[in-house]
Amino acid sequence: KQEVTQIPAALSVPEGENLVLNCSFTDSAIYNLQWFRQDPGKGLTSLLLIQSSQREQTSGRLNASLDKSSGRSTLYIAASQPGDSATYLCAVSTGANSKLTFGKGITLSVRP
Amino acid sequence: GAGVSQTPSNKVTEKGKYVELRCDPISGHTALYWYRQSLGQGPEFLIYFQGTGAADDSGLPNDRFFAVRPEGSVSTLKIQRTERGDSAVYLCASSLKYDSEAFFGQGTRLTVV
Repeated sequence: KQEVTQIPAALSVPEGENLVLNCSFTDSAIYNLQWFRQDPGKGLTSLLLIQSSQREQTSGRLNASLDKSSGRSTLYIAASQPGDSATYLCAVSTGANSKLTFGKGITLSVRP
Repeated sequence: GAGVSQTPSNKVTEKGKYVELRCDPISGHTALYWYRQSLGQGPEFLIYFQGTGAADDSGLPNDRFFAVRPEGSVSTLKIQRTERGDSAVYLCASSLKYDSEAFFGQGTRLTVV
């Protein structure tokens, strides 16, 4: 059974800091990995999708990497801003139906 | 539509009542998923549709839960004899095909009192 772990559960950083969010998964047989952002009381916004054959993806200040063999992904946020404060969820797509298995998320707070 | 739409956004119901939650996926997306998110947890898979058929309903917790997608577009999640433990945010996602990027709706917050 696929399990996804995100540690720590919460993180607080000063504005302007570069930071890395970690995600690990137990079964390397994945189709893809997605990083999502969730604001309080809202749905999930897709940030980056990495296919299993890819090593990384970039969008603006965000860069996500994937090391499938070791079961790890990182989300790098450059020059963090207060508006980046949210919960960041990592999810892997596995199985014949590509259902997503999620971690519990990392709640990020960027202090002005 | 521009994104995945879920209605209602909030639903309060009494224990034992029947509820229906609706999901309008992105036009042209053949894959549709329902997930359930409890406070402080990541979403958990409930059911997957490919077109009109439920290809995987292994995540439905019991037979009080049922979902349909009769025309391969809009889906309805139905919960009979609701219990307080059913209180959660129910999220719908769609993707172009089964291994494509998933797009989520805003969710329906269900509260059973």
